Amino acid sequence: DMKVTQMPRYLIKRMGENVLLECGQDMSHETMYWYRQDPGLGLQLIYISYDVDSNSEGDIPKGYRVSRKKREHFSLILDSAKTNQTSVYFCASSFTGENTLYFGAGTRLSVL
Amino acid sequence: AQSVTQPDARVTVSEGASLQLRCKYSYFGTPYLFWYVQYPRQGLQLLLKYYPGDPVVQGVNGFEAEFSKSNSSFHLRKASVHWSDWAVYFCAEGNMGYKLTFGTGTSLLVDP
Repeated sequence: DMKVTQMPRYLIKRMGENVLLECGQDMSHETMYWYRQDPGLGLQLIYISYDVDSNSEGDIPKGYRVSRKKREHFSLILDSAKTNQTSVYFCASSFTGENTLYFGAGTRLSVL
Repeated sequence: AQSVTQPDARVTVSEGASLQLRCKYSYFGTPYLFWYVQYPRQGLQLLLKYYPGDPVVQGVNGFEAEFSKSNSSFHLRKASVHWSDWAVYFCAEGNMGYKLTFGTGTSLLVDP
């Protein structure tokens, strides 16, 4: 079954707390992505990972870091979350060089 | 820089009517273009993709899109809209690399 799984689906944190968003995929895709979706802005790329420990900044990496220690798993970390990081976060994966992305269902993060 | 413009934030059509959702891109080379759909509380799913060749591409569920180099456009069409098409539609552009640039999305509302 081809699937991208995101945990948790909903998360409420206070400003200054650390946040860990997790993403897994079962398709052996080399490339994985983290996007955030905000009203009127569409999807913005935060980080892209080409494989284990091979990560690259996207368009809006400030305030975020990522970790990829296994090909099937990609984490997004917010150290000391800020209220402007309230958003819906999507993880996606693809084969190398392919533009067909498979998306997870998203994590709705609220930072109070 | 590449950009994708979806000029209509919201489109309302009656069930059974035809549909066109507009998309303009700004890439000056040979673009690779995509339409993704996001159903409520789900991640994005690929509807169709254009790689250089036939300008009209067919997608799932009766959707099609037409590429126009002269107009820098990639409009999405459907002959007869169904209530289940109620969703947000995203146009995206990628030049066979790892990064997709998404438009801001068009919300499609279907009148019964």
